[in-house]
Amino acid sequence: SYELTQPLSVSVALGQTARITCGGNNIGSKNVHWYQQKPGQAPVLVIYRDSNRPSGIPERFSGSNSGNTATLTISRAQAGDEADYYCQVWDSSTARYVFGTGTKVTVL
Amino acid sequence: EVQLVESGGGLVQPGRSLRLSCAASGFTFDDYAMHWVRQAPGKGLEWVSGISWNSGSIGYADSVKGRFTISRDNAKNSLYLQMNSLRAEDTALYYCVASSGLYYFDYWGQGTLVTVSS
Repeated sequence: SYELTQPLSVSVALGQTARITCGGNNIGSKNVHWYQQKPGQAPVLVIYRDSNRPSGIPERFSGSNSGNTATLTISRAQAGDEADYYCQVWDSSTARYVFGTGTKVTVL
Repeated sequence: EVQLVESGGGLVQPGRSLRLSCAASGFTFDDYAMHWVRQAPGKGLEWVSGISWNSGSIGYADSVKGRFTISRDNAKNSLYLQMNSLRAEDTALYYCVASSGLYYFDYWGQGTLVTVSS
């Protein structure tokens, strides 16, 4: 089955840039989506199809995808960005939705 | 405003059954595929099952296939999950999720907690 690997945690200084990676075999050939989950809340879609932002998501959130790694970038990090972040793909070979292992982002 | 409200969770013994419901409002329900995604306490997200807008296409995670059944009633703007032969590892917060059909999850409910324990 297809697997997505994320770092357990990422720390970023206030106002700096955080990069969260999502590794998978030839993930660049798939569409990657990203979700933010704050403590006690449901996940929220922040990036879809690699680099698109839904309405209401700040421009500070961006995404890229190439080769074996997709990346979610949070620019000018704010305290309110502290959350767990999950990547997700559709694995057409198994007809299953796959989530990454999740990354906890801490803003220092 | 989009609203997805889950219900039906609770404490259940191993081997028993439970039926989850999700009431949708604020969007055109039958324009969306619908899914159940769960999250075990302190763990990550796991897709459980999904159903197309017209119930013509249905899928399940291997972990629940043969035990869980997803269904929808477009006339009632509702989604269901019938869970049979429940196991301790099914303990999780179950989210009702709407998808525009492009393989990502647009809207999420707040979840209903299922606890399987004797």
